[in-house]
Amino acid sequence: QSALTQPRSVSGSPGQSVTISCTGTSSDVGGYNYVSWYQQHPGKAPKLIIYDVSKRSSGVPDRFSGSKSGNTASLTISGLQAEDEAEYYCFSYAGTYTWVFGGGTKLTVL
Amino acid sequence: QVQLVQSGTEVKTPGASVKVSCKSSGYTFTAYYILWVRQAPGQGLEWMGRINPHSGGTSYAQKFLGRVTMTRDTSISTAYMELSRLTSDDTAVYYCVRGLGDTAMPARWFDPWGQGTLVTVSS
Repeated sequence: QSALTQPRSVSGSPGQSVTISCTGTSSDVGGYNYVSWYQQHPGKAPKLIIYDVSKRSSGVPDRFSGSKSGNTASLTISGLQAEDEAEYYCFSYAGTYTWVFGGGTKLTVL
Repeated sequence: QVQLVQSGTEVKTPGASVKVSCKSSGYTFTAYYILWVRQAPGQGLEWMGRINPHSGGTSYAQKFLGRVTMTRDTSISTAYMELSRLTSDDTAVYYCVRGLGDTAMPARWFDPWGQGTLVTVSS
């Protein structure tokens, strides 16, 4: 049960787009369309933003989108805003009622 | 509204056990899995295990096998996570979160999260 691989940090200026990758294996990300993404601001509980690879949670702006190719899932945030600065985690089903997180990516809005 | 409310901050000595509770409201407790996740200071999220409140069935991350026990009390819509033989490495915020999905896969995504319970292990 190794953690999924995410870049430690990404950055972008307001209005730009950034993409955060989440790489696993055929036993987790590649094997199921059960990847979700969570946004966490400092000192707060995580918040669901994307589920089932590409579906937005209720109330999440359409600036947030998800996709998957092979063993890698991606979260794209377009039209960056200051409030998007946070930590982002991917989370995947890994079979036999087990799940695995990515290591987390710190998004900085310049 | 759907809510998960966790028990308060705990301070434990090494070797002790801790039991964190997670009380649900606003939905049918037995209809949705509960997962437990922890986050050490300055670190990422780590999945610990899950419980099916309907059957009591559990599954745990390999790292915690033999040290973690997840239970529930359906009469008060509350899930519990007990971690034994604590060390300083177990100092973390522990979260419970509800699993959502369908009959084919009952826990495909997770929402809402509890507010977190800080467990500090120190001599």
